[in-house]
Amino acid sequence: QKEVEQNSGPLSVPEGAIASLNCTYSDRGSQSFFWYRQYSGKSPELIMFIYSNGDKEDGRFTAQLNKASQYVSLLIRDSQPSDSATYLCAFTSSGSARQLTFGSGTQLTVLP
Amino acid sequence: DGGITQSPKYLFRKEGQNVTLSCEQNLNHDAMYWYRQDPGQGLRLIYYSQIVNDFQKGDIAEGYSVSREKKESFPLTVTSAQKNPTAFYLCASREDRGGVQPQHFGDGTRLSIL
Repeated sequence: QKEVEQNSGPLSVPEGAIASLNCTYSDRGSQSFFWYRQYSGKSPELIMFIYSNGDKEDGRFTAQLNKASQYVSLLIRDSQPSDSATYLCAFTSSGSARQLTFGSGTQLTVLP
Repeated sequence: DGGITQSPKYLFRKEGQNVTLSCEQNLNHDAMYWYRQDPGQGLRLIYYSQIVNDFQKGDIAEGYSVSREKKESFPLTVTSAQKNPTAFYLCASREDRGGVQPQHFGDGTRLSIL
């Protein structure tokens, strides 16, 4: 079983819609969860992180964490063409809070 | 401006050659990391360092070497033992003062075989 699984893409949504990106993880000791956005040919940039169960909102982005179900998601409201990118989830392992394990990413395309 | 600088942006390696990728940060971060990304894949950890003169292997350290002689610098050498070096290499750093401290990335180096 992979340590982290992201919903298979590519994912396409129309402009203005809500995009939902999902990630499941196998390490129950994982403590912190991160969402990075990576434009084609560029390096990842941090969108937000979450470490408590529930929702965390930052502008058009909402991260949701459910530790019991080992599930973290990212919702993008009012999606814009500029949101088109690959979204990577990552989490700290129970063995070391300093290391991150990354998913393979979900490619999102927002159609004008 | 504070940030993480990787150089060169593109690098070509001949067979049997060692090449070194540079990573410099002026964020005063303690921890630094090297990742490899293959097309359509996530990031895989090569090496990381939490303090000067100390570093640990990540998941795919074979064929790579690092040094951490200065806090701001963490160069990665891709040796001739790495038979499939073509990838996008990313350096990251992180403040290590407790709490949730995310990693931030440089712009990356693309390495190809000639």
